[in-house]
Amino acid sequence: DTAVSQTPKYLVTQMGNDKSIKCEQNLGHDTMYWYKQDSKKFLKIMFSYNNKELIINETVPNRFSPKSPDKAHLNLHINSLELGDSAVYFCASSLTQGNTEAFFGQGTRLTVV
Amino acid sequence: SQQGEEDPQALSIQEGENATMNCSYKTSINNLQWYRQNSGRGLVHLILIRSNEREKHSGRLRVTLDTSKKSSSLLITASRAADTASYFCATDDYLSNTDKLIFGTGTRLQVFP
Repeated sequence: DTAVSQTPKYLVTQMGNDKSIKCEQNLGHDTMYWYKQDSKKFLKIMFSYNNKELIINETVPNRFSPKSPDKAHLNLHINSLELGDSAVYFCASSLTQGNTEAFFGQGTRLTVV
Repeated sequence: SQQGEEDPQALSIQEGENATMNCSYKTSINNLQWYRQNSGRGLVHLILIRSNEREKHSGRLRVTLDTSKKSSSLLITASRAADTASYFCATDDYLSNTDKLIFGTGTRLQVFP
C-alpha cells in the first residue's frame, strides 16, 4: 500500500531527449509537490499543486512542465534534457495547504548522458 | 539563499550513544520539521515543532526550537544502527505563506554496532 509512488525509479537518457516522471498518491491529499535533490543532497522545491491548481513555480526552467490531471496525480515532463538535470526528483504530498507535513515518494534518479 | 544549515555535516557514533544535530535557519517560521532519509530512499517525516513551542518529544527523539536564535536541535537518544541515515530540518516559508518547505543541508549520521 504505497502512499506516494513515482515511476520510474531510475531513468538514464541522452541529452536532448524528452522524458516524463509520474507520481500518484493514494492518501487523499489535496497538495502535491516536486522536489529536486542534487548530488550534494541539497533539496529544493520545484512546483506545488493544490487540487490541480499550480501554487508554486520556483523559477524552474520552462523545459520542466508539471501536469496534474487530478488531485491524486502530478506528473513531471522535461523537454530537451541537459546534463545539469541529472539529480534525484522526489514527489511529495500533504493533506491540505497550511498542513506542511509532507509524505515523500521513493525518488526518481535521473541520469542524463 | 533561504536554505538552512545543519551541523555537523557528518556524525559517527557507537550504538547506545546519543546523537545531536543542529539546524539554523534564516527567516521567521510557523513551524520546523525534521525528516530522515535512508540511503537511496525518500524522506520520512519525524517530528514537527511549532514556532510557539520550545521542546517536543517523540519516542527516542527530542527536538528543541529557539526562535530568537533561529535554531533547532534534534537529539536521538540510545542510538541504534538502524538510525544510520541523513537527517534534514525543514522550515515553512513564512514570508510567501505557501506550503514550500525550505530544507537544511542535512547531517549524515552513521551509527556503528
